[in-house]
Amino acid sequence: RKEVEQDPGPFNVPEGATVAFNCTYSNSASQSFFWYRQDCRKEPKLLMSVYSSGNEDGRFTAQLNRASQYISLLIRDSKLSDSATYLCVVTGGGDSNYQLIWGAGTKLIIKP
Amino acid sequence: NAGVTQTPKFRVLKTGQSMTLLCAQDMNHEYMYWYRQDPGMGLRLIHYSVGEGTTAKGEVPDGYNVSRLKKQNFLLGLESAAPSQTSVYFCASRVTGLGQPQHFGDGTRLSIL
Repeated sequence: RKEVEQDPGPFNVPEGATVAFNCTYSNSASQSFFWYRQDCRKEPKLLMSVYSSGNEDGRFTAQLNRASQYISLLIRDSKLSDSATYLCVVTGGGDSNYQLIWGAGTKLIIKP
Repeated sequence: NAGVTQTPKFRVLKTGQSMTLLCAQDMNHEYMYWYRQDPGMGLRLIHYSVGEGTTAKGEVPDGYNVSRLKKQNFLLGLESAAPSQTSVYFCASRVTGLGQPQHFGDGTRLSIL
């Protein structure tokens, strides 16, 4: 089992729709969680951190379920510019908390 | 503010050649990382450093060496390049402390023929 698993997609979504991604992680000791965005052939960029109580940043909402060990990302009113690969990232847990474990990403394509 | 800078951005090598990739950060970050990214796969950690003069192996360290002689620089070396090392290499850095994200350079695209 991979440490961080994501549906690779692609998700093809019409502009203006709402789309949600899930990610599961295997290490119950992981303490920090992030969503990154990566455009084609570019470096990953932090989209948002994920907090236990859930958090929102404009059209983006992230949720964490520690009991089930999954993280979600919801994008409302999707824009063409949201087309990218979304990477779920968790810390290694325990002594490896300075390491990040990366999912392979979910590709999102927003269509006009 | 340059952030994280990687050089070179592109390179083509022949099998058996050696080269060094340079990562420089101007944010005074303690932690630095080298990753490789292959098509359809997530980032895989090659080596990392938690401070000047210290390095450690990540998930895929074989065939690579690193050095962190200065806090702001993290060098990745390929002593004898192999076609399997064709990849995109990303460097990242972050401050210490729980929950701190990593900041990335814009990558080095390396092809080994």
